[in-house]
Amino acid sequence: GENVEQHPSTLSVQEGDSAVIKCTYSDSASNYFPWYKQELGKGPQLIIDIRSNVGEKKDQRIAVTLNKTAKHFSLHITETQPEDSAVYFCAASSPGFQGAQKLVFGQGTRLTINP
Amino acid sequence: EAQVTQNPRYLITVTGKKLTVTCSQNMNHEYMSWYRQDPGLGLRQIYYSMNVEVTDKGDVPEGYKVSRKEKRNFPLILESPSPNQTSLYFCASSWGRMGYNEQFFGPGTRLTVL
Repeated sequence: GENVEQHPSTLSVQEGDSAVIKCTYSDSASNYFPWYKQELGKGPQLIIDIRSNVGEKKDQRIAVTLNKTAKHFSLHITETQPEDSAVYFCAASSPGFQGAQKLVFGQGTRLTINP
Repeated sequence: EAQVTQNPRYLITVTGKKLTVTCSQNMNHEYMSWYRQDPGLGLRQIYYSMNVEVTDKGDVPEGYKVSRKEKRNFPLILESPSPNQTSLYFCASSWGRMGYNEQFFGPGTRLTVL
């Protein structure tokens, strides 16, 4: 089955700097890659997603890149702000996973923005 | 306000005492799912439902039951909880297939089984 590895597990950056979180996946048939942000005491919330027919997607300070050949995708946050401090999860989905009813999540990255 | 609600938010119980965690969504979503979150393991799917009376196992279904008698509700049942079910639980809903569409998560239920 699919396996998603996420790195690093913790990341600390200075406010205003950029942060990058990387994920690799094992199933070449995977074609949907969302990123979720979990703030303290809350449930995860989708912040951006990318499908396999696109190599990059950007939304203001957040961007996601996908390299299908290498089977990895990354989240880039520029000009980081204190409110970016949270746990971030990557995930992958394949049509073969129970009729696309399942996301396989990475282990999570705790991002801390230092003022 | 569109939301997924869970109750209770915190629960401490003892081994073997049956419990139910409720989940309700007001977005008329067909798809609902339960996850558990453990340190270093991310989110793992327990069960999911594609519609009323249609449920299926996720990755870690052992020790759990679910039911979907109404579209808005998807309770998680632990008939004989054990300490290894101590975890943070999330309910989620989606308008389309869970693996292809945005999932809306509830606030979580922190369960401790002594």
